[in-house]
Amino acid sequence: GAVVSQHPSWVICKSGTSVKIECRSLDFQATTMFWYRQFPKQSLMLMATSNEGSKATYEQGVEKDKFLINHASLTLSTLTVTSAHPEDSSFYICSASRPVYQETQYFGPGTRLLVL
Amino acid sequence: GQNIDQPTEMTATEGAIVQINCTYQTSGFNGLFWYQQHAGEAPTFLSYNVLDGLEEKGRFSSFLSRSKGYSYLLLKELQMKDSASYLCAGEGPREAAGNKLTFGGGTRVLVKP
Repeated sequence: GAVVSQHPSWVICKSGTSVKIECRSLDFQATTMFWYRQFPKQSLMLMATSNEGSKATYEQGVEKDKFLINHASLTLSTLTVTSAHPEDSSFYICSASRPVYQETQYFGPGTRLLVL
Repeated sequence: GQNIDQPTEMTATEGAIVQINCTYQTSGFNGLFWYQQHAGEAPTFLSYNVLDGLEEKGRFSSFLSRSKGYSYLLLKELQMKDSASYLCAGEGPREAAGNKLTFGGGTRVLVKP
């Protein structure tokens, strides 16, 4: 159990376009979902925390108008990178935690974004 | 805050033992995770320590000392497939928004034949 999927697994887009990334918990209802960004040879940096039915909580320095997060249900959260620029190219990873075992986060396989 | 420090790289021989240390500031800390991440993949859960002491799980063990702000991950009987990055992550503080993780920079372990 505790499988998290992400779609797409990779995406290439032109500068100025918007990209939507989906994160789904496949076999459990996720109380909370998290969005991370990881640059090459660096660790994961938390971007925002998302709870179903409420506004996401963004980390300091993360633009909420650029990285739109929607958590419409207990199994789906989406991250939309608006007006993407080459510096937004990165590995985006989501994670989800289960209601009972809130401490452990289960990670999705990640989405590699390349903005040309 | 929770600055998490761990070595950048370690090299070890197949069949050997390697210990990856992690130090952190203790304010707002609830528990400590270790994750394994292969290149280009998402992290996979290895261990979670919330109490002091050693937790053993097969070839991997994790130790925590809350008073010292110190943890280590011990990898025994190293295999080539253990070559990966190992991420130390502090959990907390617990907020209404969820239990946040703060990751260290990761330790790249290279296992040589």
